Amino acid sequence: KQEVTQIPAALSVPEGENLVLNCSFTDSAIYNLQWFRQDPGKGLTSLLLIQSSQREQTSGRLNASLDKSSGRSTLYIAASQPGDSATYLCAVVIQGAQKLVFGQGTRLTINP
Amino acid sequence: DAGVIQSPRHEVTEMGQEVTLRCKPISGHDYLFWYRQTMMRGLELLIYFNNNVPIDDSGMPEDRFSAKMPNASFSTLKIQPSEPRDSAVYFCASSFFVKGNTIYFGEGSWLTVV
Repeated sequence: KQEVTQIPAALSVPEGENLVLNCSFTDSAIYNLQWFRQDPGKGLTSLLLIQSSQREQTSGRLNASLDKSSGRSTLYIAASQPGDSATYLCAVVIQGAQKLVFGQGTRLTINP
Repeated sequence: DAGVIQSPRHEVTEMGQEVTLRCKPISGHDYLFWYRQTMMRGLELLIYFNNNVPIDDSGMPEDRFSAKMPNASFSTLKIQPSEPRDSAVYFCASSFFVKGNTIYFGEGSWLTVV
């Protein structure tokens, strides 16, 4: 059974810092890995999608990496801003199942 | 496109009542998912459909839960009878899965059963 773990559960940093969020998964047989952002009281917004054959994806100040062999992904946020405060979730799509398995999320707070 | 549309956004109901949650996926998407989110268990997949056909309902917690997708533009999740432990946020999501594409979530239906 695929399990996805995110560490830390919560993170608080001053504005302007670069930071890394971690995601690990137990089964490397995945189609892709996605990072989402969830604001309080809202749904999930997709940030980045990495196909299983890719190593990383970038969007603006965000960079996500994937190491399938070790079952790890990181989300790097450069020059953090208060507007980046949210919960960040990673999820993997299981091969042959076409469904997402989510981690518990990291609650990020950027302090002005 | 308006995105995935869910209704109601908020519902408070008494234990034992029937609850129906509704979802309109993004036009053209062939996969539809129902998720439940709680503080204790995080996001759990309840059921998903492909081309209106239920593919995997192994996440549906009990027979009290049922889901239907009568056509490509509408799905319902029904709880009958509801219990306080069903209180959660229920998300509908849709996607066009060609070797894995982005999945789009609705804003969720916040259910409280008292």
